[in-house]
Amino acid sequence: DVKVTQSSRYLVKRTGEKVFLECVQDMDHENMFWYRQDPGLGLRLIYFSYDVKMKEKGDIPEGYSVSREKKERFSLILESASTNQTSMYLCASSLVGGPSQETQYFGPGTRLLVL
Amino acid sequence: RKEVEQDPGPFNVPEGATVAFNCTYSNSASQSFFWYRQDCRKEPKLLMSVYSSGNEDGRFTAQLNRASQYISLLIRDSKLSDSATYLCVVKKNSGYALNFGKGTSLLVTP
Repeated sequence: DVKVTQSSRYLVKRTGEKVFLECVQDMDHENMFWYRQDPGLGLRLIYFSYDVKMKEKGDIPEGYSVSREKKERFSLILESASTNQTSMYLCASSLVGGPSQETQYFGPGTRLLVL
Repeated sequence: RKEVEQDPGPFNVPEGATVAFNCTYSNSASQSFFWYRQDCRKEPKLLMSVYSSGNEDGRFTAQLNRASQYISLLIRDSKLSDSATYLCVVKKNSGYALNFGKGTSLLVTP
């Protein structure tokens, strides 16, 4: 089974702090994604990566950056956390090629509260 | 117009009922469509892909109408365990990223 893990389930940070959210997948997937999910707004794509050291902006990249130094790990960075970044953050991965190439497998999510 | 639109519900149905959800998408060039399921406070998981010819998986049937740009999900003989949020998903035109609808909430009651 594909396993996507996220470093924390719950996180509380203060405004202005630098925040790192880590995501690791164990299935050698090329693609990795970061979303945030908010009530009434659904899942919105922040950044994604198709390969090591590659990144693409999603729909709402402002205030975020990402890092992909190894294939299995994709980090989301909040350079200076703000209260409007309080949200559920979900990481996902998918394979390139094959019958399940478009299926995204999600981690359990990190619920971030910025005070 | 939003890229993927769904009725948020909630749909409250008794066990054994048949329930249908619709979803519309704005990009006529979209090629791949899915339904994901998200249980309360859990991550989304793929329920089924939606093919042009329609597809069925047990009690679940998904259909695509390209002319009208909508996707449907039919659940027959609803079970309590079907209670969840159902997300309509359309693949973006380029690459592997997906557009998610906001979800339709289903509550199946005894």
